[in-house]
Amino acid sequence: DVKVTQSSRYLVKRTGEKVFLECVQDMDHENMFWYRQDPGLGLRLIYFSYDVKMKEKGDIPEGYSVSREKKERFSLILESASTNQTSMYLCASSLRGGLRASGRIGSYNEQFFGPGTRLTVL
Amino acid sequence: SQQGEEDPQALSIQEGENATMNCSYKTSINNLQWYRQNSGRGLVHLILIRSNEREKHSGRLRVTLDTSKKSSSLLITASRAADTASYFCATDGLSGSRLTFGEGTQLTVNP
Repeated sequence: DVKVTQSSRYLVKRTGEKVFLECVQDMDHENMFWYRQDPGLGLRLIYFSYDVKMKEKGDIPEGYSVSREKKERFSLILESASTNQTSMYLCASSLRGGLRASGRIGSYNEQFFGPGTRLTVL
Repeated sequence: SQQGEEDPQALSIQEGENATMNCSYKTSINNLQWYRQNSGRGLVHLILIRSNEREKHSGRLRVTLDTSKKSSSLLITASRAADTASYFCATDGLSGSRLTFGEGTQLTVNP
């Protein structure tokens, strides 16, 4: 019963390539997030979205863009990949606060994570 | 500044012992959450404690929150080898849905 899926577990790209990371959730969550995780730095928020076509910058948005055309899908785009973007990328989703309805999954602010994509840029 | 900081960074214990991890944060919060991450995988939500709660239990997990000290602890009782993982605290601040995660505590439970 996987609820948040990411398009790839492992990805190898070359410097300068355009990279798309896809995330899909089936819980009808309003909020979606992209993080990167690096040793010694923990999870850092890249971008998040609280509704279709809405996006907000996180703590480290430089070099990344996002797209949310449908509620269930949130894409992270590396316009021109660089070696310092080699990392583990984690997608998450959550309910919007105050909108919990019967049958919906998760308590307010509880984030559900995908399995992660380990991206290597050569 | 780092909103959630776990202590210790690494903890190694024997099966059956209790494991205690601590988290400190800097700004006011609505709630604090603990997550677990097995090696190379995504994070899994363990427990949420609200700012007006002082203690919460879930199975072998016990979480405490001291808002005056801006700190929380996660206790895992009677640990098992399967508890080996990284544990993260996450805080939400007072607005919005975004969370700020600490760097995590790597717990190793030796059989």
